[in-house]
Amino acid sequence: DVKVTQSSRYLVKRTGEKVFLECVQDMDHENMFWYRQDPGLGLRLIYFSYDVKMKEKGDIPEGYSVSREKKERFSLILESASTNQTSMYLCASSLGEGTGAAYGYTFGSGTRLTVV
Amino acid sequence: AQKVTQAQTEISVVEKEDVTLDCVYETRDTTYYLFWYKQPPSGELVFLIRRNSFDEQNEISGRYSWNFQKSTSSFNFTITASQVVDSAVYFCALSEASGGTSYGKLTFGQGTILTVHP
Repeated sequence: DVKVTQSSRYLVKRTGEKVFLECVQDMDHENMFWYRQDPGLGLRLIYFSYDVKMKEKGDIPEGYSVSREKKERFSLILESASTNQTSMYLCASSLGEGTGAAYGYTFGSGTRLTVV
Repeated sequence: AQKVTQAQTEISVVEKEDVTLDCVYETRDTTYYLFWYKQPPSGELVFLIRRNSFDEQNEISGRYSWNFQKSTSSFNFTITASQVVDSAVYFCALSEASGGTSYGKLTFGQGTILTVHP
């Protein structure tokens, strides 16, 4: 069964900590995405990557960075966690340019991050 | 810029009732794709349906049906004879396909929380 796996389901971190959220997909997808989900706001795109070592900012990149050293792995980094980054974080992957637009995403189960 | 609006924040129904979830979208492109996803309490978003902008045929899959109307920029989702297992958050999403540079980025609506009571 094809999957997108997020390393942690729940995380609690302290303000100011550097936080790494990991995502791995086994479908050989070119595109990978990080979203955050907040009540009443839906899913908002933080960053995405269309190839190894390539990245593009989404709608809300401030306070975040990403890393994609291998095709199957896409990491989201909170450089200095703050309480307003408490949220559900969802990783997704899709097929390459053009095709991905037609077939949508496969999602991971999400990481619920609490920053105290 | 593209936008998706799900005006219904929460809907509560009793089992066996029919329920319609509304979705209105905005885009300047002529080629685009619309999606519905379901997010059960487990958290993972589950793909339900994809529709491209050139196909306005309604679709039925079991108790689920979708009504796509370009004239009103709407892509509504109806569950017939709802069941408790339908309780979830439902998201409508839009992907632009023009020029192949969108990388399949999806724009999501705010989500509708559906609760089906026994």
